[in-house]
Amino acid sequence: AQTVTQSQPEMSVQEAETVTLSCTYDTSESDYYLFWYKQPPSRQMILVIRQEAYKQQNATENRFSVNFQKAAKSFSLKISDSQLGDAAMYFCAYWVIFGNEKLTFGTGTRLTIIP
Amino acid sequence: DTGVSQDPRHKITKRGQNVTFRCDPISEHNRLYWYRQTLGQGPEFLTYFQNEAQLEKSRLLSDRFSAERPKGSFSTLEIQRTEQGDSAMYLCASSRGRAGNTEAFFGQGTRLTVV
Repeated sequence: AQTVTQSQPEMSVQEAETVTLSCTYDTSESDYYLFWYKQPPSRQMILVIRQEAYKQQNATENRFSVNFQKAAKSFSLKISDSQLGDAAMYFCAYWVIFGNEKLTFGTGTRLTIIP
Repeated sequence: DTGVSQDPRHKITKRGQNVTFRCDPISEHNRLYWYRQTLGQGPEFLTYFQNEAQLEKSRLLSDRFSAERPKGSFSTLEIQRTEQGDSAMYLCASSRGRAGNTEAFFGQGTRLTVV
């Protein structure tokens, strides 16, 4: 079974500082995508960043970057220059390329930004 | 493009009653997904449509649950004889292609409370 583990239920960071959210996953598949989704309070979930497993280069999107360690099955999200608008639940998710349609999500990390 | 719309946003119902939720995907998105999110958990896949065809159903989707997507446009999710364990946020998402290959856009969800 595919599982996604987020071991940090809550994190906090000072505004303008950097924070890293952890994610590990378990799979026997070799072709998959990994995602980080952001779910602000009472708002819809939005995609933050995506990583294809076959790419060695870590994905980056502005202040968001990932550290993808395929052998270790680790996929952490780094948020640089944290802003108040980054406060949200962050979910790590996994999707198999040659498989069914479901995204498998972790349990989430609640990120608080301290002004 | 107004995004994925879900109605109602909140629903309180008595145990044993039937409820129906609606999801309007982004126009021209051929794929539509339903997820359930309980407190402290990440979203869990329920079912998926490609156009009007329901192609996958999770084992979470008991026989009290039924989903439709007539004419490949909006979708409804009905829960019959609701139970307290059905209390959750029900999320809808849509995508132009497969959820991993392209971005899946989520709605704000329908929060169901069964009393």
